[in-house]
Amino acid sequence: GESVGLHLPTLSVQEGDNSIINCAYSNSASDYFIWYKQESGKGPQFIIDIRSNMDKRQGQRVTVLLNKTVKHLSLQIAATQPGDSAVYFCAENISGGYQKVTFGTGTKLQVIP
Amino acid sequence: DGGITQSPKYLFRKEGQNVTLSCEQNLNHDAMYWYRQDPGQGLRLIYYSQIVNDFQKGDIAEGYSVSREKKESFPLTVTSAQKNPTAFYLCASSNGQGIKNIQYFGAGTRLSVL
Repeated sequence: GESVGLHLPTLSVQEGDNSIINCAYSNSASDYFIWYKQESGKGPQFIIDIRSNMDKRQGQRVTVLLNKTVKHLSLQIAATQPGDSAVYFCAENISGGYQKVTFGTGTKLQVIP
Repeated sequence: DGGITQSPKYLFRKEGQNVTLSCEQNLNHDAMYWYRQDPGQGLRLIYYSQIVNDFQKGDIAEGYSVSREKKESFPLTVTSAQKNPTAFYLCASSNGQGIKNIQYFGAGTRLSVL
């Protein structure tokens, strides 16, 4: 049945501080991971991706870390800005054949001005 | 929202009514997807299509139907059999080639029941 009253975990960060958003993925066979940002009332937007043969990947103000041993992914946002306020969720993907993507439930990032 | 257009932005359904959500992409992507998003939950896959004239059920296909007559278009019909249709519906597309499967999303359609 439907889960009523579920609330997303929320991370509140002061403007200018760094943010770290965590994600535990489920399938050890997953070999490709993506972070998405979803602003209120909008569709998710691609932020950054990482393959399983890497531990770290950097983009502009964002870094993704992958720990395959404990099946953990994190997204670090440097110098967090009000425009970063959104829900962030990770996605895991197993390549080969139909590439089913499994999305996490998300973390809400709240930036305090 | 890239090259994916969803319409309408808001939709209301009456009891016993079928409604159709539109999704069009101009990214020349082979694969298209429909997801349902409920508050506090991740995206759940309804249907997907890897190529024209072919589509597969996702995890929660009951009460929904799709068609893929054109590469650019993947409409979703929410039938009267779907007893709890109120949700945010997201359409996505991807190139789906190789190891990378980056899905690009539309802006979504919010469906409510009158």
